[in-house]
Amino acid sequence: DVKVTQSSRYLVKRTGEKVFLECVQDMDHENMFWYRQDPGLGLRLIYFSYDVKMKEKGDIPEGYSVSREKKERFSLILESASTNQTSMYLCASSSPGDRISGELFFGEGSRLTVL
Amino acid sequence: AQSVTQLDSHVSVSEGTPVLLRCNYSSSYSPSLFWYVQHPNKGLQLLLKYTSAATLVKGINGFEAEFKKSETSFHLTKPSAHMSDAAEYFCVVSRPGGYQKVTFGTGTKLQVIP
Repeated sequence: DVKVTQSSRYLVKRTGEKVFLECVQDMDHENMFWYRQDPGLGLRLIYFSYDVKMKEKGDIPEGYSVSREKKERFSLILESASTNQTSMYLCASSSPGDRISGELFFGEGSRLTVL
Repeated sequence: AQSVTQLDSHVSVSEGTPVLLRCNYSSSYSPSLFWYVQHPNKGLQLLLKYTSAATLVKGINGFEAEFKKSETSFHLTKPSAHMSDAAEYFCVVSRPGGYQKVTFGTGTKLQVIP
């Protein structure tokens, strides 16, 4: 069974703290994505990576960075968390070799609260 | 360029009655189209996908969707709603490949009344 695993389901952090959100996939996918989900706004792309050490900014990269040192792992970093980063964060992966559909596989999400 | 519009932010149906969730898209190429479902505090699960084969696509849990190119629509239907169908549903358009472009709709929350 294919799997995308987000290590932390719920986190509570204080303003100014550095936050790491980890995502691991076991499908040997090249593409990995970080989305942020807020009520009424749907899913917004923060960053995506199409290969190891490669990254591209999405629609809302400000305040975030990412790291992809290994193919299976894609980390989202909040250098200095702020209250407006309180949200649900979703990781996804896909295979560029799947040129028919490009189906995304999602993790369970990480709900971050910044106080 | 591509975009997707979910025409209803909330839909309420009675248990046992049909479900219709509407989605319109625009794309400058032949896209792939998906419906995903999200239960509270969970990730997104694929319901079904259209990939330029049959225009009527069957998915899990009795859901299906019909791709209508002339109407640029991909509406999701189910003949009879079940309480467990209460969730949020997302219509998604994708240009697959190495530099994948994915666009999500803003979601439709389905309420099922007993």
